[in-house]
Amino acid sequence: GQQVMQIPQYQHVQEGEDFTTYCNSSTTLSNIQWYKQRPGGHPVFLIQLVKSGEVKKQKRLTFQFGEAKKNSSLHITATQTTDVGTYFCAGRGNNDMRFGAGTRLTVKP
Amino acid sequence: NAGVTQTPKFQVLKTGQSMTLQCAQDMNHEYMSWYRQDPGMGLRLIHYSVGAGITDQGEVPNGYNVSRSTTEDFPLRLLSAAPSQTSVYFCASRRAPGRNTGELFFGEGSRLTVL
Repeated sequence: GQQVMQIPQYQHVQEGEDFTTYCNSSTTLSNIQWYKQRPGGHPVFLIQLVKSGEVKKQKRLTFQFGEAKKNSSLHITATQTTDVGTYFCAGRGNNDMRFGAGTRLTVKP
Repeated sequence: NAGVTQTPKFQVLKTGQSMTLQCAQDMNHEYMSWYRQDPGMGLRLIHYSVGAGITDQGEVPNGYNVSRSTTEDFPLRLLSAAPSQTSVYFCASRRAPGRNTGELFFGEGSRLTVL
């Protein structure tokens, strides 16, 4: 079945440093979504990528979808303490979304 | 709109007990799903539904039953709880079950402990 792998599992950065999380699928994806979950909260949608090679930006966040539509990345420039949380990618299978294990980001002020 | 509402928020069960986690959405979403979240394992799909009267299994369906009698409600039943079902459960919905549809809306979660 479809597998979505995400690395790293944890990342601790100093405030102001950059952060990147990577997502890889065993199969070609029709789209990929990214979610953020604050500690103690529920996942909240960030963005959806659909096209091969697509790049989207949201302020300090940059999302990429690979040319083969099997991998994706989320890059945060100059992290802030408000970026703390777990970031999940989710790949679209037949009728469901399969999530990666998430990358937990902590930011030291 | 309340969005996706889950009840209860917390529950403690003894092994072998049964219970139902409730999920309701008021956005007229056709697609609804249940995930469980365990440390280091992300969100794993238990069951999902693409519309009233239609359900299907996800990655980890064993020990759980679902039904979808209305568009709004998608309860998750544990018939005989086991300690391995200790987890945080999230219900999620989205607009339509098509291929390039939008975001999942999550409920606030239900934390279940099975002793």
